[in-house]
Amino acid sequence: DARVTQTPRHKVTEMGQEVTMRCQPILGHNTVFWYRQTMMQGLELLAYFRNRAPLDDSGMPKDRFSAEMPDATLATLKIQPSEPRDSAVYFCASGIEDSASTDTQYFGPGTRLTVL
Amino acid sequence: DAKTTQPPSMDCAEGRAANLPCNHSTISGNEYVYWYRQIHSQGPQYIIHGLKNNETNEMASLIITEDRKSSTLILPHATLRDTAVYYCIVRPHGDDKIIFGKGTRLHILP
Repeated sequence: DARVTQTPRHKVTEMGQEVTMRCQPILGHNTVFWYRQTMMQGLELLAYFRNRAPLDDSGMPKDRFSAEMPDATLATLKIQPSEPRDSAVYFCASGIEDSASTDTQYFGPGTRLTVL
Repeated sequence: DAKTTQPPSMDCAEGRAANLPCNHSTISGNEYVYWYRQIHSQGPQYIIHGLKNNETNEMASLIITEDRKSSTLILPHATLRDTAVYYCIVRPHGDDKIIFGKGTRLHILP
């Protein structure tokens, strides 16, 4: 049963520290999405990639967040420096582009980040 | 902004059909209706999608009105494991992005 995996599942850090979250998309999927979920804002799209190239990162705070895909099996989301307001659950999702868009997105279990 | 309106919460007795409504009165001709759900402490899970015809799969049925301004997700025999937040999403063909609204929190009662 193919799944999206995310590490770590939980992360507690202090303000100002760098945080790196990792995602392994489902093998063969060419589109990877990063979402953030908070009680106040709900689920928000931060950025996404197709064939490892960034397509849209308009939802991501540019000054401290960065997203990359070093290879087809790994996507990373970094926050440097982290702030308490970054506390949230970060989800990665992957999918296959079907003619024009990614039809179905498969979500990972999320990384719960707490910044003290 | 999400283009859908859903009730914030609903209850359904275990074993009965759960009917979750969604209004999307401003839907455009090339926009599909998608449903995802999120069980507590998990990532969202795709359920079903459709354009204008009714759709059914192993998880649920999707009924879209003829004018496409509203739809209903039907879970035919709800179980306790169906307790989740259900998101109705309108999404244009050719657009990768999913805009999640607040969804409906469905409680399945034993």
